[in-house]
Amino acid sequence: DVKVTQSSRYLVKRTGEKVFLECVQDMDHENMFWYRQDPGLGLRLIYFSYDVKMKEKGDIPEGYSVSREKKERFSLILESASTNQTSMYLCASSLGTVSNQPQHFGDGTRLSIL
Amino acid sequence: GQQLNQSPQSMFIQEGEDVSMNCTSSSIFNTWLWYKQDPGEGPVLLIALYKAGELTSNGRLTAQFGITRKDSFLNISASIPSDVGIYFCVSGTASKLTFGTGTRLQVTL
Repeated sequence: DVKVTQSSRYLVKRTGEKVFLECVQDMDHENMFWYRQDPGLGLRLIYFSYDVKMKEKGDIPEGYSVSREKKERFSLILESASTNQTSMYLCASSLGTVSNQPQHFGDGTRLSIL
Repeated sequence: GQQLNQSPQSMFIQEGEDVSMNCTSSSIFNTWLWYKQDPGEGPVLLIALYKAGELTSNGRLTAQFGITRKDSFLNISASIPSDVGIYFCVSGTASKLTFGTGTRLQVTL
């Protein structure tokens, strides 16, 4: 089974802090994704990556950046956290092109910005 | 961006009842996926549909890819308590997927 592991289940940070969310997958998948999930809005794509050192903006990239130095690890960075970034963050990975291969999700990180 | 209109937003049903939910879009898609998210966990793929008109089953779940390629539905037969969760329709292109807003299902005994 594919395993996508997010480093923290719950995280509390203060406004203005730099926040790192880490995600690791163990199935050698090329594609990795970061989403945020908010009530009534479903999942919205923040950033994705098709290869090491490669990144593409999703639908809501403002206020975020990402890093993919190794194939198995995809990091989401909040450069200066704000209260409107309080949310559930979900990481996913997939093999091959998005339309043909399903995404496998981690269990999420619930981030609170105070 | 692209939007998927998913309905109903929430459902409260009794154990043993059948459930039906659907998803529509203004755009044509080549793929429809249905995911379920259990409380406190990430979404898990239930069914994948890749061809217009395709009807696919996974146990008590049945999903169809609409012939117009703009809609899909998911049916759950004889619901049980572990069916509780949020169901998402998902679609998109080769470069990006879009998630529906979800249908929250509650099952009472």
